[in-house]
Amino acid sequence: DAMVIQNPRYQVTQFGKPVTLSCSQTLNHNVMYWYQQKSSQAPKLLFHYYDKDFNNEADTPDNFQSRRPNTSFCFLDIRSPGLGDAAMYLCATSRLTGAGANVLTFGAGSRLTVL
Amino acid sequence: GNSVTQMEGPVTLSEEAFLTINCTYTATGYPSLFWYVQYPGEGLQLLLKATKADDKGSNKGFEATYRKETTSFHLEKGSVQVSDSAVYFCALTSGEYQGGKLIFGQGTELSVKP
Repeated sequence: DAMVIQNPRYQVTQFGKPVTLSCSQTLNHNVMYWYQQKSSQAPKLLFHYYDKDFNNEADTPDNFQSRRPNTSFCFLDIRSPGLGDAAMYLCATSRLTGAGANVLTFGAGSRLTVL
Repeated sequence: GNSVTQMEGPVTLSEEAFLTINCTYTATGYPSLFWYVQYPGEGLQLLLKATKADDKGSNKGFEATYRKETTSFHLEKGSVQVSDSAVYFCALTSGEYQGGKLIFGQGTELSVKP
């Protein structure tokens, strides 16, 4: 089945130690998103790629970076994780066609713990 | 800016009870509206959607009607089951020129007891 796969599902890192989360999709969608979801809160958009064009949200800290080497893969890099970065990180994809609603397909998430 | 407001949870119901989760929105233009569901430890799944005024989205016994006059998109189900226990998010998309990004409400946790 076509889907969005996130790895790892659970990541434990130490304060200040860089971490990379990955997302892959078999849907051939042109847009990929990264959301941060803290406990009992709504997901918050960090950034998204529209094809190769990177779009950063104004309030996303510089500590968060992203790469999209090809259509299928997107990475979230956290350069120096702090305790406040502990959260579930959700990857989502969509196909923007100019017609109809933009429906996002989400992966299962990567839960980050910072010690 | 665009925003979504949901009724606060948690909501606790007995099995077969009627469910309403209120959602109102603020948006310019004509957003599309969605309900997503998140089961414990999982990502979000699309539950239903509506793209224009008076559209009714429905899925798995859940329904919501896009009401432009009251800027609302309330979620309803006539008879809930224990398996419906989850967090429900109301959301809107802001249009393709902004990448079609999804703006979420704060989520409403539903707990259904046998």
